[in-house]
Amino acid sequence: QQQVKQSPQSLIVQKGGISIINCAYENTAFDYFPWYQQFPGKGPALLIAIRPDVSEKKEGRFTISFNKSAKQFSLHIMDSQPGDSATYFCAARAGNRGSTLGRLYFGRGTQLTVWP
Amino acid sequence: EAQVTQNPRYLITVTGKKLTVTCSQNMNHEYMSWYRQDPGLGLRQIYYSMNVEVTDKGDVPEGYKVSRKEKRNFPLILESPSPNQTSLYFCASSLSGAGRVNSPLHFGNGTRLTVT
Repeated sequence: QQQVKQSPQSLIVQKGGISIINCAYENTAFDYFPWYQQFPGKGPALLIAIRPDVSEKKEGRFTISFNKSAKQFSLHIMDSQPGDSATYFCAARAGNRGSTLGRLYFGRGTQLTVWP
Repeated sequence: EAQVTQNPRYLITVTGKKLTVTCSQNMNHEYMSWYRQDPGLGLRQIYYSMNVEVTDKGDVPEGYKVSRKEKRNFPLILESPSPNQTSLYFCASSLSGAGRVNSPLHFGNGTRLTVT
């Protein structure tokens, strides 16, 4: 069973446009929601993360919007640039004790292409 | 430089020939984990370790073994590799658990394994 559902699978955006990637989850025990960015030939790297007690977090051109009641969160990339072309993964982690701290569930990824 | 180092980067082997992929981190992190990345399936957790001598299964542990005899190293062992284990493997580490807002998961650059 997929713990975190991510869409779309691929996204093509014009330079300067807004890229939006959506994720949904069911497990209400999730308490940490990071987004990772992966360039070809590299491992994923943390881009931005949010806790469920916050509805929005912004870092530069990247914003996470979090809707706790709908159990959805999304990544918005404003003024998208060709250098943002990468694969983006949303993820979620459960709990605050024991072995659940070790489980980070990833979405299936979104391949973003930004055309110049 | 703080990093997670995996070796080898590329490996081609034959069915049934035991192999080990090494992972080492120099950040004194307690937590380490292995993921495999397959097209359309995203990142799936194989095994993780909350601390030395403590390991636990992720979502896809079948066919893999791990050990955590010392804090910095977390090797992934395939006792009898099969073609369905052809994949891109990532090792990751963090200070505590599978990441927090102020303690993200750090990934290595991956090992591409082909089993013929």
